[in-house]
Amino acid sequence: KAGVTQTPRYLIKTRGQQVTLSCSPISGHRSVSWYQQTPGQGLQFLFEYFSETQRNKGNFPGRFSGRQFSNSRSEMNVSTLELGDSALYLCASSLGLTSGAGTDTQYFGPGTRLTVL
Amino acid sequence: QKEVEQNSGPLSVPEGAIASLNCTYSDRGSQSFFWYRQYSGKSPELIMFIYSNGDKEDGRFTAQLNKASQYVSLLIRDSQPSDSATYLCAVNPTGNQFYFGTGTSLTVIP
Repeated sequence: KAGVTQTPRYLIKTRGQQVTLSCSPISGHRSVSWYQQTPGQGLQFLFEYFSETQRNKGNFPGRFSGRQFSNSRSEMNVSTLELGDSALYLCASSLGLTSGAGTDTQYFGPGTRLTVL
Repeated sequence: QKEVEQNSGPLSVPEGAIASLNCTYSDRGSQSFFWYRQYSGKSPELIMFIYSNGDKEDGRFTAQLNKASQYVSLLIRDSQPSDSATYLCAVNPTGNQFYFGTGTSLTVIP
C-alpha cells in the first residue's frame, strides 16, 4: 500500500507570494491533518479535514487555509508569505475515526520544506 | 498548560543501554497514545501505539501507559546508534485531533 505523498518536496518563495502544497493520503484514509514544524517549536497543528470538511483547526492566522477533495487529497495554501513561514510542512493521514481507543493512527508524509526569502 | 509535555533532552545513553523516554498529558479523557521517531530532516515515523494501561512490547521497544498518573513512556532496550533521533509523544483524546509533544532528542553513543 502506498504511503502518504506530498508535493512539492522543496519550495523557495519570496515574501508576499502565496504557495499551495498538496497531500495525497493513504488509500482508504479520509482524514488529512496538516502541521507546521520549525526548530524548537515542535509540531504545530494547522487543521484537519475529513470528508471534504474542516473538522479541527489550530491557532494559525487566516493566511493559512486548506481544502480537501472528494478523493481525500488535500491542499494547503499560504498567502502573503512571511519570513517566519519558513518551515517543514507535514501532512498526516488517518482513517478519521473518532470513537474507541486505538481505532485511529496518523501516518506522515515526507513533508514539504518551504523557504521564504 | 500544554496538552503533552516531554523532556526535550538531549538524552545520551551508551550503546547497548536502555533509553527511557517520558511523556505526560493533561486530558484525562485521552484514549490513544503514540510514539513517533523523527530523524533529522525527515518526517515522523510511527513506532508504536498503546491504549491500555500497562506495557506493550514490540521488539526492542516497550511502551508503558499509566492513565491514573497521566504518563506514557517508551523504553528502548539494547540501544543502537541508529536509534539516535528525536522521539515524539502524541495523544489522541477525541475528535481525531492529535496532540504532539515537542520531542526528546536521543543520542546513542557507540
